[in-house]
Amino acid sequence: DAGVIQSPRHEVTEMGQEVTLRCKPISGHNSLFWYRQTMMRGLELLIYFNNNVPIDDSGMPEDRFSAKMPNASFSTLKIQPSEPRDSAVYFCASSQQGGETQYFGPGTRLLVL
Amino acid sequence: AQSVTQLGSHVSVSEGALVLLRCNYSSSVPPYLFWYVQYPNQGLQLLLKYTSAATLVKGINGFEAEFKKSETSFHLTKPSAHMSDAAEYFCAVKNTGNQFYFGTGTSLTVIP
Repeated sequence: DAGVIQSPRHEVTEMGQEVTLRCKPISGHNSLFWYRQTMMRGLELLIYFNNNVPIDDSGMPEDRFSAKMPNASFSTLKIQPSEPRDSAVYFCASSQQGGETQYFGPGTRLLVL
Repeated sequence: AQSVTQLGSHVSVSEGALVLLRCNYSSSVPPYLFWYVQYPNQGLQLLLKYTSAATLVKGINGFEAEFKKSETSFHLTKPSAHMSDAAEYFCAVKNTGNQFYFGTGTSLTVIP
């Protein structure tokens, strides 16, 4: 299996622009998680889905952030408009529902200027 | 509520010395516990996990961790550090649902 796939791996954008991060979970996994990692705050869970349905989005920082999972093999995390404080590494992870282990993608390194 | 505390955000050891990374958890139910490793510019990789079987868990790259319920601890050890062990290590606890709670991480430096 190819593992969790994220794109792009790096994104540089200007403040105010829309940013879309993409994730393809491992085939057969029906839980998907979005995390943000910064030096100051460590690893934060933003949102997670079970069977394409958002279960807990309490970690989403504000309305500028939105996430969708239109099908079992694809999810997006969108930031609109982006701000410099959104600069971070964003990870997607997947697991089997009720499964013991999360598998992480390589991350998207976002820099908002 | 579940949480983990990693004592020491930075640990330095000499090559060949014992590695000990500390993790204490808080959980209202018997937990699932994990150690993940993150190498520079990479995602997190599972190192080992405890799922209520044997209390001493062996993982990849010579690491192991022991679940001690009385101490609510799940410390990670390796008898002899290698230069390639330099990385960030995260302890995590999972509840009966799907949500993981990660610690703040411990950065391991191996001194040649």
